Amino acid sequence: QKEVEQDPGPLSVPEGAIVSLNCTYSNSAFQYFMWYRQYSRKGPELLMYTYSSGNKEDGRFTAQVDKSSKYISLFIRDSQPSDSATYLCAMSAGYTGTASKLTFGTGTRLQVTL
Amino acid sequence: NAGVTQTPKFRILKIGQSMTLQCAQDMNHNYMYWYRQDPGMGLKLIYYSVGAGITDKGEVPNGYNVSRSTTEDFPLRLELAAPSQTSVYFCASSYRFNQPQHFGDGTRLSIL
Repeated sequence: QKEVEQDPGPLSVPEGAIVSLNCTYSNSAFQYFMWYRQYSRKGPELLMYTYSSGNKEDGRFTAQVDKSSKYISLFIRDSQPSDSATYLCAMSAGYTGTASKLTFGTGTRLQVTL
Repeated sequence: NAGVTQTPKFRILKIGQSMTLQCAQDMNHNYMYWYRQDPGMGLKLIYYSVGAGITDKGEVPNGYNVSRSTTEDFPLRLELAAPSQTSVYFCASSYRFNQPQHFGDGTRLSIL
C-alpha cells in the first residue's frame, strides 16, 4: 500500500462547478499538508499549505485536513478553465531530519470545460 | 523572482552518452532535491542535499550522481544514459525538509 493515495482522474467538470480533490494517507505522523498545482510542461507550484487538522481558505480554494480519518481535500469553487491542471498533494511529518521529507501523491488531472 | 532555474529545458541523448542537468536557486535554501516524473508515477526522489558538500540518495539513485559545492547550485549527472532514464527531471529547494518545496520548470530528457 502506498503511503499517500490519490485518484489519478482525469476529472472533467463544467465551468463554475465545485471541485473536490482528495488524498488519503497511512502515516499518522504526518502533520504538514500541501497542495501543488502543475500545469502542462511546468513544474509544480505551491497552492495551499496547512498544519495539522482544520480548514484553510484562500480565494476560491479551501484546503481541509481530517487527521482522524487520514484524509485531506482541496475544494475549488467557481472552477475556471484556467484551473485545468494536475493537482498533487504532499505531506510530511513533524520530525527534524530525513524522516520528515515530503511524500507526494501521484496527482489528479482536472479538466474544466466551457 | 528567479526562484529555481533549470537548464536545459529539453535534451535528446544517445544511449551511453553522458550529460549534466543544471539547477540553481536564489532563495538561499540549504535543502535541494532532484526528482524524476514519469506518466502516472508521480515524483520520485533521486538525490537530495542538506547543504554545500552534503548529499544523499533518494528512492531511485541508480545511474545518477550529484554534487553540491555551493548553496546555490545542485547539478545532476547522468554518466551512461539508458532508455529507462527518459523522463522529466525536476529540481526543487526548501527551507527545511518538512517545509514547502519550490520547483523549477523541469528538463525533458529523451534517450534514444
